[in-house]
Amino acid sequence: NAGVTQTPKFQVLKTGQSMTLQCAQDMNHNSMYWYRQDPGMGLRLIYYSASEGTTDKGEVPNGYNVSRLNKREFSLRLESAAPSQTSVYFCASSEAVRGPSPLHFGNGTRLTVT
Amino acid sequence: AQSVTQLGSHVSVSEGALVLLRCNYSSSVPPYLFWYVQYPNQGLQLLLKYTTGATLVKGINGFEAEFKKSETSFHLTKPSAHMSDAAEYFCAVRGGKNQGGSEKLVFGKGTKLTVNP
Repeated sequence: NAGVTQTPKFQVLKTGQSMTLQCAQDMNHNSMYWYRQDPGMGLRLIYYSASEGTTDKGEVPNGYNVSRLNKREFSLRLESAAPSQTSVYFCASSEAVRGPSPLHFGNGTRLTVT
Repeated sequence: AQSVTQLGSHVSVSEGALVLLRCNYSSSVPPYLFWYVQYPNQGLQLLLKYTTGATLVKGINGFEAEFKKSETSFHLTKPSAHMSDAAEYFCAVRGGKNQGGSEKLVFGKGTKLTVNP
């Protein structure tokens, strides 16, 4: 079982460059999420997609865009990277966005912006 | 609004000793509560969750947690620590609303557990 797969695992960007982080899940989950993890800050929600065809802002959406390409795939785009976006990015999925449905996480993308 | 406080960003125990990681939450609605574990260079994995019913919840790897409504706590315990338990642990509460109207999952800032031989 692959679960949630993220690519790439590592990336270094210069300020102003753009890139797309890819995420795919094979659990037939309806909902998908992008989080960032920074030391001492825990996890903060960037964007989520409750179901195929819908996306909504989370806690820290500025500087990011997302696309729910189909039920399996949810990508995160940085149009013009900034050093403040240096972080570890996690994609997650769940059966639903409410109730006791737990999140299943990928292994993360470690992004450095210089 | 929902919030989670994990007391102690670092906890150190000896192998074989009791593990106790503290989590207090606030929630305006009956909460769903979760504990996740993160091993180095990996994503978070679900350890256990509380939904309704029995307040003592058992999870994987010998961990358990007790929901105490009167104390708004959901502390994680394991009777005997193993070296492989060294990781970072996150408490989370589901409730409240995201901007889009779905339920919000709020994470604590994490507790890093060190197990000494």
